[in-house]
Amino acid sequence: EAGVVQSPRYKIIEKKQPVAFWCNPISGHNTLYWYLQNLGQGPELLIRYENEEAVDDSQLPKDRFSAERLKGVDSTLKIQPAELGDSAVYLCASSLGRGGHEQFFGPGTRLTVL
Amino acid sequence: GENVEQHPSTLSVQEGDSAVIKCTYSDSASNYFPWYKQELGKGPQLIIDIRSNVGEKKDQRIAVTLNKTAKHFSLHITETQPEDSAVYFCAASIGSGYALNFGKGTSLLVTP
Repeated sequence: EAGVVQSPRYKIIEKKQPVAFWCNPISGHNTLYWYLQNLGQGPELLIRYENEEAVDDSQLPKDRFSAERLKGVDSTLKIQPAELGDSAVYLCASSLGRGGHEQFFGPGTRLTVL
Repeated sequence: GENVEQHPSTLSVQEGDSAVIKCTYSDSASNYFPWYKQELGKGPQLIIDIRSNVGEKKDQRIAVTLNKTAKHFSLHITETQPEDSAVYFCAASIGSGYALNFGKGTSLLVTP
């Protein structure tokens, strides 16, 4: 069974440009998470979806970040405009939800903002 | 969010020795404590987890212990091998929900 798929794996952009990341969770997983991982740090939650509903987005910088999960499957995380400090790895994870705590992570997208 | 503190930040052991990584958490409502292994260029991979109604769990060379009273939990790796070299993260659930707070990681190096 395929794991969590993310694309692109790497992205280099100039500041003030927009960027989008895509995630396809494990089939049947209702819960989807986006995390930010800075170099040398643990992942930090940005947003959590239960099916298509964003149930925890308190850590998402809403002035420049947005996310969507249409039809409760794939998800897209967008940054517009990107800033130098946004350079990091963006991780997507999924879990069964409804008592299934185990989160499975994708390989991440490494963003570099120049 | 609530803090999860992890120690040490780096750990170097010789092959065959044991490695112990310790974490503390502050949210008394946390009830799920996973450990992840992250290799370079990859996403974190779940290696073992424990729930608050269990004090200890073992899976081959890996074991985790939980002390809810003291709010700390530990990862024990026995008979370490070079392929155990990676960054290890502990995490605690935010309350009894599904979101996680992660520690800052421990870079483990196992030398032959």
